[in-house]
Order: sequence, then C-alpha cells, then structure tokens
Amino acid sequence: GESVGLHLPTLSVQEGDNSIINCAYSNSASDYFIWYKQESGKGPQFIIDIRSNMDKRQGQRVTVLLNKTVKHLSLQIAATQPGDSAVYFCAENPRKGNKLTFGTGTQLKVEL
Amino acid sequence: SQTIHQWPATLVQPVGSPLSLECTVEGTSNPNLYWYRQAAGRGLQLLFYSVGIGQISSEVPQNLSASRPQDRQFILSSKKLLLSDSGFYLCAWNWDSNEKLFFGSGTQLSVL
Repeated sequence: GESVGLHLPTLSVQEGDNSIINCAYSNSASDYFIWYKQESGKGPQFIIDIRSNMDKRQGQRVTVLLNKTVKHLSLQIAATQPGDSAVYFCAENPRKGNKLTFGTGTQLKVEL
Repeated sequence: SQTIHQWPATLVQPVGSPLSLECTVEGTSNPNLYWYRQAAGRGLQLLFYSVGIGQISSEVPQNLSASRPQDRQFILSSKKLLLSDSGFYLCAWNWDSNEKLFFGSGTQLSVL
C-alpha cells in the first residue's frame, strides 16, 4: 500500500554541522508534506511544511526540499545544536481527508 | 490561541482493568480530533478520528473505543486492557482547511 518511509533510522552529527534527514514517499497524489520533531516523552512538534506546488521552503535554521520527480522529501538543519537531538517524522497528506500518514522516524543525535 | 490538554501524563494499569484517557482542546470550535498510538521507537499509528460530536471513525480493529461527548472533548476508552495496549497515546487536532496537526503532550500507558 501507500506509505511514507525514511532512509536512515539513526543519524549522528557533530554540533555545528548541518544535518540532512531524508524521507521517501510513494503516493504521487500527495499534495502536502510536513516535518515534526519529537523529544523523548513528549508530543510531536511542528517544524515546517510544504505544498506540492513548491520545491523548497525555509524556516529558522531549517529548510525542507521536495523532489516530486523521485518522490523525495528532506529536512535540512543548519548549525545543528544539542537541542536538536530528537526523533524527526515526515508525514504526507495522501488526499484522503485531512489524515496525515507518518513515516517511522529518524533519531537525530548531536555529538559535542 | 489554541491549546490542547491531555491527561494523565503516565498511567500504570493491570491487565483486564478499564481505561479512560481524556483530551480537550481550547480556543477553537469544531476541530477534527485524533487519537494516535506510538510503540517504543516506532512511528504513529492512527487509532480514531472524529469530525464532530458523536462522529467516530476507527482506523484499526482493536480493544479500544473512542467517544466525543462534546465539541472539544475526545475520550479514549477500554473495558479490559491487554498487555498489547501498552504504548504512548497522543491526542491531536486540526481544522478542515489546514492539514497541520497539533499534538498533545501524550500519555504513557503501561499495562502490567
């Protein structure tokens, strides 16, 4: 069936480096994508979103890139900080109502 | 501004006991409401969603049920808990016109 998946379950980066978290999706009809950050024991927090009519969107220290040709989504975090350590989820709206489909998540570990 | 409240934060229950988790949203009306479950180190599984009072849709067959007695109140219940019901339960809401989900702080349920 349709699914959203992540390439890497764990990503370790040095403090100050840039992080790139990748996500593949299989539903070509999806028109909305979103990234969440979840710290241990807490609910997911919205980071950034993007619609399918865009290929790039920037926020504060974060950038989301969307490549519809290869059905790939990525989250770039600039100058990664220890507070960025968390699990990051991508999600898509496959246009079946407002019900997001979530990926399995990537654990980002920031090393000092 | 809108806020979502979920309680309790943690709960330890014996097998076969009943369950009631409550979620309320403030600062908005007629939200879509959702219950998700998250197993340790895993992604988010949608359990129930509701588009209005008394309207509940179940995504997966299970030992749980949901109710929406008031516009901004969503309750997750079970008559008899199973070991497999253990997990991190998240309540969330959004508007029809905006797919972005806003999550509560979660309830860690341990069934022993």
